[in-house]
Amino acid sequence: AQSVTQLDSQVPVFEEAPVELRCNYSSSVSVYLFWYVQYPNQGLQLLLKYLSGSTLVKGINGFEAEFNKSQTSFHLRKPSVHISDTAEYFCAVTYNNNDMRFGAGTRLTVKP
Amino acid sequence: NAGVTQTPKFRVLKTGQSMTLLCAQDMNHEYMYWYRQDPGMGLRLIHYSVGEGTTAKGEVPDGYNVSRLKKQNFLLGLESAAPSQTSVYFCASRSGTDQHFGDGTRLSIL
Repeated sequence: AQSVTQLDSQVPVFEEAPVELRCNYSSSVSVYLFWYVQYPNQGLQLLLKYLSGSTLVKGINGFEAEFNKSQTSFHLRKPSVHISDTAEYFCAVTYNNNDMRFGAGTRLTVKP
Repeated sequence: NAGVTQTPKFRVLKTGQSMTLLCAQDMNHEYMYWYRQDPGMGLRLIHYSVGEGTTAKGEVPDGYNVSRLKKQNFLLGLESAAPSQTSVYFCASRSGTDQHFGDGTRLSIL
């Protein structure tokens, strides 16, 4: 079965600084990769996804992620964060769209 | 367009009690899912359904049952609640590759 490791449980960063949230996965088959964001007391919202093709994927709110097959990674980046980006971010992987495995989450805190 | 609606939003149960969580979606999606979210563990799949009248086990199905009698509704049941089932439960429906989540049900078992 596939699995996901998010390497940082918490990432504090100052407003307008760049940020990278790290995600590594393991799977013996080809997978689809996702990043979701969760604001307090809400469900998850899709930020971006990699299905195939270009390894650099752009999502909503200025986020992007790069799929690296050789390193089995799918790191999320944003060049300049805002206070409103403070949330929990989840990386997820699936090979069949039904059995989706999530990482433990990274709490991003943007400080003024 | 409400999307995915979960009821109730909060509930406190005593050990051994039973209850049903309701998920309703108005997007005509075939696929629906129940997850639980625990601190430091992300979301884990409990059960899912690929269409009306079908259900399948996920990663952590023990202690839960589900039913999908109507396409728009997916029910999660706890027959005899245990403190280990204290969690936040999320329902999702899927179109293509994208899952759409409800706002969750916070369940405490005393």
